[in-house]
Amino acid sequence: DTAVSQTPKYLVTQMGNDKSIKCEQNLGHDTMYWYKQDSKKFLKIMFSYNNKELIINETVPNRFSPKSPDKAHLNLHINSLELGDSAVYFCASSHLTGSAETQYFGPGTRLLVL
Amino acid sequence: AQSVSQHNHHVILSEAASLELGCNYSYGGTVNLFWYVQYPGQHLQLLLKYFSGDPLVKGIKGFEAEFIKSKFSFNLRKPSVQWSDTAEYFCAVGKADGLTFGKGTHLIIQP
Repeated sequence: DTAVSQTPKYLVTQMGNDKSIKCEQNLGHDTMYWYKQDSKKFLKIMFSYNNKELIINETVPNRFSPKSPDKAHLNLHINSLELGDSAVYFCASSHLTGSAETQYFGPGTRLLVL
Repeated sequence: AQSVSQHNHHVILSEAASLELGCNYSYGGTVNLFWYVQYPGQHLQLLLKYFSGDPLVKGIKGFEAEFIKSKFSFNLRKPSVQWSDTAEYFCAVGKADGLTFGKGTHLIIQP
C-alpha cells in the first residue's frame, strides 16, 4: 500500500563506486522528483521529471543521472561517488507538474560514502 | 531567485504551550506555500498548503498557517502542542520544477 517507495533504505559504499537508488510510485502520478537532504537537514531539489521534460537543478553534478523506465519509476544513478554525496535522498511524486501540486515523499535512502 | 527563510532553527516547548514557527519567502509573483513535517525516522508529510482563497489555512493535527502577503510570511501555528509534535518542520514555496525548502525548524516538545 506504500504510495512512494524507495530501495534500498540504507546504502554504504566506497568512494569511486557507481550506485543506483530505485523509486516507485503507485499513485498514478505524472511527475516525479529527487531531493537531497544534507547532514543539517537542508532539503534541495535535484531533478523533476515527467514524460515530457527533465528539469535538472543547475547545482547537481553530472555524475548524477535520473533514469525513468516508465511513468511509475524514477531511479537515481550516481557515478564515481564522493564523500560529499553522503546524504539522505528522497524521491517524491505529484499528480501533475505545477507549483501548487502537493508532493508525496518516499521514506528516503540514507547513503554513506566511505 | 526564490528563497525561503525559517528563522527558528531549534524550538523547545512544553506540552500544552502555543506554537508559532516563522516562515518568510522572497518571490515577486503568485506563490504557492506549503508546510511539511518530518517525524523522527519518517518521510516528509504535508501539513497544509496555500495557493489561493482564504489566507488562513487549516491543516492536519490541529495546525494552521496564515498567509500575509504584505509581510511575505506564512507562519505555522498550533494553539496547544503535544509531545507527539516533536519533529522537523519545513516551509516551502512551490515551483513548476519542485519545491524550494527553508532550512527547517527542529521542534522538541518536553513532557
